[in-house]
Amino acid sequence: AQKVTQAQTEISVVEKEDVTLDCVYETRDTTYYLFWYKQPPSGELVFLIRRNSFDEQNEISGRYSWNFQKSTSSFNFTITASQVVDSAVYFCALKTKGSGTYKYIFGTGTRLKVLA
Amino acid sequence: EPEVTQTPSHQVTQMGQEVILRCVPISNHLYFYWYRQILGQKVEFLVSFYNNEISEKSEIFDDQFSVERPDGSNFTLKIRSTKLEDSAMYFCASTQDTLNYGYTFGSGTRLTVV
Repeated sequence: AQKVTQAQTEISVVEKEDVTLDCVYETRDTTYYLFWYKQPPSGELVFLIRRNSFDEQNEISGRYSWNFQKSTSSFNFTITASQVVDSAVYFCALKTKGSGTYKYIFGTGTRLKVLA
Repeated sequence: EPEVTQTPSHQVTQMGQEVILRCVPISNHLYFYWYRQILGQKVEFLVSFYNNEISEKSEIFDDQFSVERPDGSNFTLKIRSTKLEDSAMYFCASTQDTLNYGYTFGSGTRLTVV
């Protein structure tokens, strides 16, 4: 079965705190892709990062960093020194083929509230 | 930067009416998708489309739904007889290569069925 679990429904932090959003995935495919998308209050889905299953290198982009660990099937996202503009719903997604064509499977999202 | 464009941004329709949601994918993209997000819930796959035919559809995509690429640029989702539970945000997405690239999502159409 293909599945993405984001156990944290909502997180509130105070500005400048670091925060980590958890993502655990399940797939039997050996080739798959993991994504994080941000959905601000305006509703659009904003692409943040993509990793493929063969690349476990962690990545840092400004205040964002991602920790991909195949051993625990996790792809966690950390925001350092959070800002109010980071307030949004963050979705982790798995792109996998399963028995059909490649498509996304989204987690249920984590709502991040950054308080001033 | 190229964008996926969706119109309208918000559509209100009466239950039982037909509605067409429009999308203009990025011009050199070959794979097209519709996803929906019921308010406050996760984003769900509806259908994928390639080479002028449906590649895959979910159980949500029943006989009330259809997709079409009527010309070289538009990609439409039609709901034949809307129900209250069709109220959701509908996202169109496209990609040039289903393996090596992520999708580019449109900004969504919020459909409200009353």
